[in-house]
Amino acid sequence: DGGITQSPKYLFRKEGQNVTLSCEQNLNHDAMYWYRQDPGQGLRLIYYSQIVNDFQKGDIAEGYSVSREKKESFPLTVTSAQKNPTAFYLCASSMINTEAFFGQGTRLTVV
Amino acid sequence: GENVEQHPSTLSVQEGDSAVIKCTYSDSASNYFPWYKQELGKRPQLIIDIRSNVGEKKDQRIAVTLNKTAKHFSLHITETQPEDSAVYFCAASFPNYGGSQGNLIFGKGTKLSVKP
Repeated sequence: DGGITQSPKYLFRKEGQNVTLSCEQNLNHDAMYWYRQDPGQGLRLIYYSQIVNDFQKGDIAEGYSVSREKKESFPLTVTSAQKNPTAFYLCASSMINTEAFFGQGTRLTVV
Repeated sequence: GENVEQHPSTLSVQEGDSAVIKCTYSDSASNYFPWYKQELGKRPQLIIDIRSNVGEKKDQRIAVTLNKTAKHFSLHITETQPEDSAVYFCAASFPNYGGSQGNLIFGKGTKLSVKP
């Protein structure tokens, strides 16, 4: 599973609860990304980070937060402000302007 | 704003036929165009990519063509096999997106079904 690891694989969230998805890479990549994928849909960018201690909002950042304290780690927090969080979340990393490598994904379900 | 459009959204072909998926992009500064294959419940994986200084690239049964003037690129799969059935995503880099470089914007995907 080469280099980028997401955990957990499955996650259940209660209404009003914050949850954090982990993403770690040992590829020495500068850039890291979070995408959301709804059933039968494409990939939508939530947040991205090009360097440590810096990150930018993507197309659907509302209700999510991230941090990039270390080059190898880019955790995503799904806050209670995200009204419809049930989805498949994919983390990716890359060097700038090159192939993105994806983690295996986290499937989040609201219960 | 930055956008990648992908067509068709679903494609069904007979085994052995060819499949073509097309994408258009909005930013003439885009210079990197990867294609990903995603099997059900799995992560997307790169199958081929092309840079803007090349018009065509082939890898066995897969080829990608790029028309910079028209801002579109296409994936061609020849002699399709049942194991080619998956969702295919195109993407384009947007050097000026959000003030940073090289962010990938993905198309919405094409579900390819190859019937035996």
